[in-house]
Amino acid sequence: EADIYQTPRYLVIGTGKKITLECSQTMGHDKMYWYQQDPGMELHLIHYSYGVNSTEKGDLSSESTVSRIRTEHFPLTLESARPSHTSQYLCASEGQGYGFEQYFGPGTRLTVT
Amino acid sequence: AQKVTQAQTEISVVEKEDVTLDCVYETRDTTYYLFWYKQPPSGELVFLIRRNSFDEQNEISGRYSWNFQKSTSSFNFTITASQVVDSAVYFCALSEAKDGGSQGNLIFGKGTKLSVKP
Repeated sequence: EADIYQTPRYLVIGTGKKITLECSQTMGHDKMYWYQQDPGMELHLIHYSYGVNSTEKGDLSSESTVSRIRTEHFPLTLESARPSHTSQYLCASEGQGYGFEQYFGPGTRLTVT
Repeated sequence: AQKVTQAQTEISVVEKEDVTLDCVYETRDTTYYLFWYKQPPSGELVFLIRRNSFDEQNEISGRYSWNFQKSTSSFNFTITASQVVDSAVYFCALSEAKDGGSQGNLIFGKGTKLSVKP
């Protein structure tokens, strides 16, 4: 069973607030990912990291930022939340090598009012 | 460019029916990986299967089976004798091999929502 955690699971916050979504994994995986999921189900890669001090933007432009100071921790920050940021955010990690699966956390459902 | 198409947005079946979820992919690479994930109402994506492009053998795991056909670029997923607990969104995904053989990022299809009614 995968050991990847996300907090909080649910968050309702007002416009303009700064928020950080936490993601941590205990598997020692170098690769980590953040996805944003529409209410219509589609998954969009917004950030990824292949190791400590490595971060890249994904396919979908996002106003969020990420950091990777420790292997196990990959937090996502929104400096000023807006209603358009309302979404489900999923974190994942993956082992190195050939064709490994990604393990997903339970997700954070964010609502910005 | 890579692309994954799941043409069925929603499927509804009655318990014990068999159901097939379609997945068609596009890639220019000869080495790639295909995946299926399940997302139950709780929200977490659960890994179901991974295939590499060199292994076209079909696979069966209990009530689940997968049919990989490179000739039609398809990787379809069949649930036999469906159950209410199979109700979920199912995602097909593709990853190309990068230089050196490691796995590139996943490209997901838009998902198929399966509802199994008692």
